[in-house]
Amino acid sequence: QVQLQESGPGLVKPSQTLSLTCTVSGGSIRNGHYWSWIRQLPGKGLEWIGYMFYTGTTNYSPSLQSRVSISAGASKDQFSLKLSSVTAADTAVYYCVRGISGYRMDVWGQGTTVTVSS
Amino acid sequence: QSALTQPASVSGSPGQPITISCTGTSSDVGDYNYVSWYQQHPGRAPNLIIYDVTNRPSGISDRFSGSKSGNTASLTISGLQTEDEADYYCCSYTSTSTHVVFGGGTKLTVL
Repeated sequence: QVQLQESGPGLVKPSQTLSLTCTVSGGSIRNGHYWSWIRQLPGKGLEWIGYMFYTGTTNYSPSLQSRVSISAGASKDQFSLKLSSVTAADTAVYYCVRGISGYRMDVWGQGTTVTVSS
Repeated sequence: QSALTQPASVSGSPGQPITISCTGTSSDVGDYNYVSWYQQHPGRAPNLIIYDVTNRPSGISDRFSGSKSGNTASLTISGLQTEDEADYYCCSYTSTSTHVVFGGGTKLTVL
């Protein structure tokens, strides 16, 4: 059974780069599937950030495209999110997710809260 | 502003059915049978309950069903139970460059 776990700093300063890692247990990011990041702003709905297909192809939300990067880790069981030039508006719970497709997301991490504050 | 439109809230009594709508456009819901629904309880990660408009993943109760008409997809929960109280989000493939769009979410209250 595949499980996902997010990790990374819970506090990031404005203008810096938010970096999160998702560790996949019970599977590999190179055996198929879409590997996504979704965020949820405080008290708000879900926002799609982007995904990386297992081949390495990526697709990002147009509203974040200029600041976001999703890539595979050095290990076959990790992928990462980098979001640059963060502001308080990027404060959110960040989820890493496995998808059968970009929109059919069947395994979710528990989520990690990232606060942007000086 | 979300690309897919959902009612902010719906409510129902135990045992009754409710339906949550998700309205998109011909670039997403209308032209593709690639709609999924997620249930999210407070403080928890979302959980996939419907995919490809009508299909339920293994382990999801058959009280949950999905349908689509034109540009609007719908999630129906029959025989409401107290544990169904949660937020529900629709999601669709879109032919725009985004490829993935969410609805704004609907809070279901079981009275």
